[in-house]
Amino acid sequence: ETGVTQSPTHLIKTRGQQVTLRCSSQSGHNTVSWYQQALGQGPQFIFQYYREEENGRGNFPPRFSGLQFPNYSSELNVNALELDDSALYLCASSFSGANVLTFGAGSRLTVL
Amino acid sequence: QQQVKQSPQSLIVQKGGIPIINCAYENTAFDYFPWYQQFPGKGPALLIAIRPDVSEKKEGRFTISFNKSAKQFSLHIMDSQPGDSATYFCAARNAGKSTFGDGTTLTVKP
Repeated sequence: ETGVTQSPTHLIKTRGQQVTLRCSSQSGHNTVSWYQQALGQGPQFIFQYYREEENGRGNFPPRFSGLQFPNYSSELNVNALELDDSALYLCASSFSGANVLTFGAGSRLTVL
Repeated sequence: QQQVKQSPQSLIVQKGGIPIINCAYENTAFDYFPWYQQFPGKGPALLIAIRPDVSEKKEGRFTISFNKSAKQFSLHIMDSQPGDSATYFCAARNAGKSTFGDGTTLTVKP
């Protein structure tokens, strides 16, 4: 049973650029959610995808968008990067209706 | 607007001690309360969880105490070990969304 894998692990961007982060869900899981974890804080819910559609969103602007693919993998896209977007981005997978989340190790984004 | 408040921010105990981490929530719609453990460079990993119809749950050295009327819950770690040194997050879940506390950094000294 493979866990949740995320790529890239680290990346550096400049303000105004765009970034795409990728996530492969755990085998058997069909729901993917994304979280932003700023330094010294807990993860904050960005959105969740189920059956290739967004079915829940936190308090994040529209420049944060995502996709889920038929194999349940997912992408997080952030446009017009701002300095405050610097954070660890965590992907978590689960089986629909289940409360247990399996997190990946995250993608650390630095915006200069 | 923080819906889950966690304390303390950091905690240092001696090996064998019993660290206690507390959380309070506001939204009574929350129906699942997990605790996660996070090591540096890793994602959070589920440690133990409780539903609001239960007042206590124990798994190995980890115990959750839940007070529904006070909207508070806590994590107790019995016989703590240096390997328990990590950041602990409480969370509350509703409608597929988890709201996390800001974490407690636990250091267990040998």
